[in-house]
Amino acid sequence: QKEVEQDPGPLSVPEGAIVSLNCTYSNSAFQYFMWYRQYSRKGPELLMYTYSSGNKEDGRFTAQVDKSSKYISLFIRDSQPSDSATYLCAMRRGAGNMLTFGGGTRLMVKP
Amino acid sequence: GAVVSQHPSWVICKSGTSVKIECRSLDFQATTMFWYRQFPKQSLMLMATSNEGSKATYEQGVEKDKFLINHASLTLSTLTVTSAHPEDSSFYICSAGPGGMNTEAFFGQGTRLTVV
Repeated sequence: QKEVEQDPGPLSVPEGAIVSLNCTYSNSAFQYFMWYRQYSRKGPELLMYTYSSGNKEDGRFTAQVDKSSKYISLFIRDSQPSDSATYLCAMRRGAGNMLTFGGGTRLMVKP
Repeated sequence: GAVVSQHPSWVICKSGTSVKIECRSLDFQATTMFWYRQFPKQSLMLMATSNEGSKATYEQGVEKDKFLINHASLTLSTLTVTSAHPEDSSFYICSAGPGGMNTEAFFGQGTRLTVV
């Protein structure tokens, strides 16, 4: 079993829809949670960074962490075609920056 | 956010030759940098942890003699793919962060290596 599980998709939604992306994990030691967006043939771009449980909002993006359920989510409101990309969740235990990644979910937002 | 620059963004080389990829932290010092490999439609696979001033730590299954890592300064790590073969063709990405407990990891733009 992988430490971090993420549905690979693809997830196809119409423009303007609310998108929900999720990851589950098995290691309760993870404390720092990140969401990255990766366009084809580009490096991942950090979208959201969250410590421990709770919600964090940044523009159209909201990240949620539920450590009791070992479940994290990224919500995208008013989705745009430019949001079409692969979204990777990542997490780490603590010191240093070694990340454990989910497999990525490919999102397609259709105009 | 912090900037990590990777060069080149793409390279084509002949089998048997070596290719060097650079990863630079532009606005912070990084004692640790990470090198990943990514196959099409797959997630990032950690290859090695690059430590400034000391030997890199390689993940299981990654050949140390094939993927040479040098982290000679606090802002530069290099990955050299030696005696490249077509199966080494992949997308290589580095990451680094300013360090400490509450900081994110930033990624370079990636390098697409094609070995012909």
